[in-house]
Amino acid sequence: QVRLMQSGSELKEPGASVRVSCKASGYSFTNYAIHWVRQAPGQGLEWVGWINTNTGNPTYAQAFTGRFVFSLDTSVTTAYLQISSLKAEDTAIYSCATPLWTDALDIWGQGTMVTVSS
Amino acid sequence: DIVMTQSPLSLPVTPGEPAAISCRSSQSLLRSTGYNSLHWYLQKPGQSPQLLIYLGSHRASGVPDRFSGSGSGTDFTLRISRVETEDVGVYYCIQALQTPWTFGQGTKVEIK
Repeated sequence: QVRLMQSGSELKEPGASVRVSCKASGYSFTNYAIHWVRQAPGQGLEWVGWINTNTGNPTYAQAFTGRFVFSLDTSVTTAYLQISSLKAEDTAIYSCATPLWTDALDIWGQGTMVTVSS
Repeated sequence: DIVMTQSPLSLPVTPGEPAAISCRSSQSLLRSTGYNSLHWYLQKPGQSPQLLIYLGSHRASGVPDRFSGSGSGTDFTLRISRVETEDVGVYYCIQALQTPWTFGQGTKVEIK
């Protein structure tokens, strides 16, 4: 069964860091990119970027350069999103997704809520 | 960046009636392959987005045939032939021609 399973909700203080995981199963992990999408409360979808799961090369949207880092552990078929120096405006649901069957993101994780609050 | 503009942003619908959502891009999404890098999603309340239409007009697996996508270049339309109550949610288009991929603002579909 094809699946992307994400880690649980996080509550962090401003200035802290958080790492969100996205574990893939049921398909060949290194053959398909992992994309990350953000959704702030009550807002629309925003593309964060993607990582090439074969080479590890990341691409970030301009708004997400610097504090956002994608990484991989192919031995456990898991992708990670790390956000450092957290700000209140980073509060959002972060979702991973992959274009497995089509050119579009057709398999999604369940999303991880990251709340930044003191 | 390619700007995606959806309209309307809110769409009250009557079950059994048709509905249409427009998505326009600031530059052509037509690839040399002849396909348009434009996809449509529905995000139901409390759920992750689900793919409805890919490459402008191809229905994703399991998507009811009342959903259809059309258009090319910069103008695209998602149509629902007969709206059902389960179709409520927010619909998004996204361009995947070039990074950064960009979403439309979303169109909230609700039952009248």
